[in-house]
Amino acid sequence: AQSVSQHNHHVILSEAASLELGCNYSYGGTVNLFWYVQYPGQHLQLLLKYFSGDPLVKGIKGFEAEFIKSKFSFNLRKPSVQWSDTAEYFCAVINFNKFYFGSGTKLNVKP
Amino acid sequence: NAGVTQTPKFRVLKTGQSMTLLCAQDMNHEYMYWYRQDPGMGLRLIHYSVGEGTTAKGEVPDGYNVSRLKKQNFLLGLESAAPSQTSVYFCASSGQGESYEQYFGPGTRLTVT
Repeated sequence: AQSVSQHNHHVILSEAASLELGCNYSYGGTVNLFWYVQYPGQHLQLLLKYFSGDPLVKGIKGFEAEFIKSKFSFNLRKPSVQWSDTAEYFCAVINFNKFYFGSGTKLNVKP
Repeated sequence: NAGVTQTPKFRVLKTGQSMTLLCAQDMNHEYMYWYRQDPGMGLRLIHYSVGEGTTAKGEVPDGYNVSRLKKQNFLLGLESAAPSQTSVYFCASSGQGESYEQYFGPGTRLTVT
């Protein structure tokens, strides 16, 4: 079965710091990759997705992610975080109609 | 356009009781999913459906049943609730092909005592 690993469980940053959250997946074939965000008390929302083409994907709110096939990675980045980015972030991969989510990374941005 | 809605938002059950969670979507999506979210474990797929009248098991199907009698609705049933089923349940729907983006409902917080 597919698996998704997020190695950072809890990240604390100050405003304006740069962010990189790691995501690795296990499937070696063609993959579709996603990053979702869950703000406190809310449901999951899509940040960005990769299907094919340019491995550098830009999403909403200044987030981007880079697909590196050789490393089975899809890391999320943001050059300068804001307090409003405090949330939990989930990486996901779809394989044969099933979504597999990572365990999530809680980001706490200090004002 | 309400998107994905879930009923109820909160529920407390006693061990052995049964209940049904309702998910409804108004986006004409073919695919629907039920997940449970537990601290430190992310979202785990319980059951999913790729179309009206079809259902399939996900990662953690034991103790749950589902039905998709209408395209817009996906029901999750607990026949005999257990404390291990205390969780937040999310429903999601998505289109086909390049529209794999999942749209999530607001969640149902279930506590089994």
